[in-house]
Amino acid sequence: DTGVSQNPRHKITKRGQNVTFRCDPISEHNRLYWYRQTLGQGPEFLTYFQNEAQLEKSRLLSDRFSAERPKGSFSTLEIQRTEQGDSAMYLCASSPGQVETQYFGPGTRLLVL
Amino acid sequence: AQKITQTQPGMFVQEKEAVTLDCTYDTSDPSYGLFWYKQPSSGEMIFLIYQGSYDQQNATEGRYSLNFQKARKSANLVISASQLGDSAMYFCAMREIGYNQGGKLIFGQGTELSVKP
Repeated sequence: DTGVSQNPRHKITKRGQNVTFRCDPISEHNRLYWYRQTLGQGPEFLTYFQNEAQLEKSRLLSDRFSAERPKGSFSTLEIQRTEQGDSAMYLCASSPGQVETQYFGPGTRLLVL
Repeated sequence: AQKITQTQPGMFVQEKEAVTLDCTYDTSDPSYGLFWYKQPSSGEMIFLIYQGSYDQQNATEGRYSLNFQKARKSANLVISASQLGDSAMYFCAMREIGYNQGGKLIFGQGTELSVKP
């Protein structure tokens, strides 16, 4: 296993721009989770996929956020019309199933100016 | 509602000594899992140890052990023989495993551990 990878590792953007992050899970992991972590806080759940199906979305995931996992492998998280409050670390995790341990990627740090 | 509470924002420990990081939880689901993750300054969340709600014995993984007290709803992490590389943020997390649960993790606020040489 090569571990969960995320790209880019860092992103600086101006308010109002769109950004897209990518997550590549551990191969053959059916479940993929997205979390957001703001400074000084623990991660908060955003959404998760089982294979290509998005099964749950947090109320934190406003209409400006959209996530996809088109072939059940990698996933993308897009934020449209970014706001300064979107500045955070975006973490991706994967697991073989519901009850197994989630393994995290290195995260994408977003700064919205 | 699920909740994880970590009451120690910061902890100091002398190198080679043991340290306990506190975690209490609240859930109405009888089936759940408890996790501890380490987050160095680089940002990656590193899995340390897991305890299931029905596990009879406390979990251990090398220098890490989990002091699970179900009646008190606590799941404290014990790190023995602290090393300088243990300096990091530590997060306690819970996952409900009942029917129709998605498996998302609920995290506490974290404890920042500093190991002194």
